[in-house]
Amino acid sequence: AAGVIQSPRHLIKEKRETATLKCYPIPRHDTVYWYQQGPGQDPQFLISFYEKMQSDKGSIPDRFSAQQFSDYHSELNMSSLELGDSALYFCASSLRSGANVLTFGAGSRLTVL
Amino acid sequence: GENVEQHPSTLSVQEGDSAVIKCTYSDSASNYFPWYKQELGKRPQLIIDIRSNVGEKKDQRIAVTLNKTAKHFSLHITETQPEDSAVYFCAASIVGNEKLTFGTGTRLTIIP
Repeated sequence: AAGVIQSPRHLIKEKRETATLKCYPIPRHDTVYWYQQGPGQDPQFLISFYEKMQSDKGSIPDRFSAQQFSDYHSELNMSSLELGDSALYFCASSLRSGANVLTFGAGSRLTVL
Repeated sequence: GENVEQHPSTLSVQEGDSAVIKCTYSDSASNYFPWYKQELGKRPQLIIDIRSNVGEKKDQRIAVTLNKTAKHFSLHITETQPEDSAVYFCAASIVGNEKLTFGTGTRLTIIP
């Protein structure tokens, strides 16, 4: 069965650079979520989209933005990167009528030097 | 917003023994409580979930109990095996409100 696909899996950037992460949800899933997980931390909710519209917002820095496209894939754009942005970024998707059962992608590991 | 507390932060049990992880939540409107298992550097994987209309759910060696009055829920793993070693996260959300709020995680180590 198709899963949530994230790319790239690993990304190394310098401070103040920009990074873009991509997420392809499970086919027919209508909701996409982004989570940030620092070392030894729990996943922190950043933002979610339902049917291509932003549906909820968490602790996402103003330097970050995200959108969901017509094909339902989503991108997380991070600018003016800081050392503290180094983390695992997970995308998850769900079907709203499936009542919150989130399936996570394998994650994108961002390292900021 | 929702706040989920999880205890203990680390847990070591002998292989074959049982493990129990407990979580409390703050928002009485929360009605969906999943548990995720995460191995180092990998994705969280759903292992079991429970909705507020039931008090207990079991799937082979794993069970979850929910006490809505006290706003706490627990994960029980019986006959533990080395492959159960991982970090376990509880979470809570409101069905239809999507986002999960995670607990701080429990690192479970099974001692052979």
